[in-house]
Amino acid sequence: QVQLQESGPGLVKPSQTLSLTCTVSGGSIYSGSYYWSWIRQPAGKGLEWIGRIYFGGSTNYNPSLQSRVTISVDTSKNQLSLKLSSVTAADTAVYYCARGDYIGTDYYGMVVWGQGTTVTVSS
Amino acid sequence: EIVLTQSPGTLSLSPGERATLSCRASQSVSSSYLAWYQQKPGQAPRLLIYGASNRATGIPDRFSGSGSGTDFILTISRLEPEDFAVFYCQQYGSSPWTFGQGTKVEIK
Repeated sequence: QVQLQESGPGLVKPSQTLSLTCTVSGGSIYSGSYYWSWIRQPAGKGLEWIGRIYFGGSTNYNPSLQSRVTISVDTSKNQLSLKLSSVTAADTAVYYCARGDYIGTDYYGMVVWGQGTTVTVSS
Repeated sequence: EIVLTQSPGTLSLSPGERATLSCRASQSVSSSYLAWYQQKPGQAPRLLIYGASNRATGIPDRFSGSGSGTDFILTISRLEPEDFAVFYCQQYGSSPWTFGQGTKVEIK
């Protein structure tokens, strides 16, 4: 069974770059039937989609974050990564990675989620 | 950007009762690409429904989704104790994908 595990610094200083990794176990990250997303959730608030990447490398980002975000995949390590630059306190949140399934133009939602990792932006 | 508005904000019900949650979109959701997720405290969201009405693998049949266009409904036919949580709708028909603000289903 596929499992996702987020990791990275729990504390980032303002103006720095937040870097997180999502390690995929129990399956390959390299599949034409999957897309990989990052989602975040400030404490006590709702979910915000950050962006997604397909196995071919194409990406889509939330326009509200597009100028600061990069999502990439390292197939040799079976890992997904997130980089968010110029962070502020507003970027403090639990960050989740998730796998979505699709076949052609049929999408099946984000089926597998990591447990999430808390990132605090503070000096 | 499609804005999703969920109602009510909180639903207070007893086990065994029926829950009806609403999700209204600011514009039509293409191909009924509307999903529902359940989130319990301290846990990641869990996919319940995709494509507006299709149950995800392993989801009990007391959960059902319906709707199209701009109006969608999640129904829990008989609440079990483990169903009390926050529920989010999400549209993935147009970018950016967006979530509703959530409906909390609490024990009355």
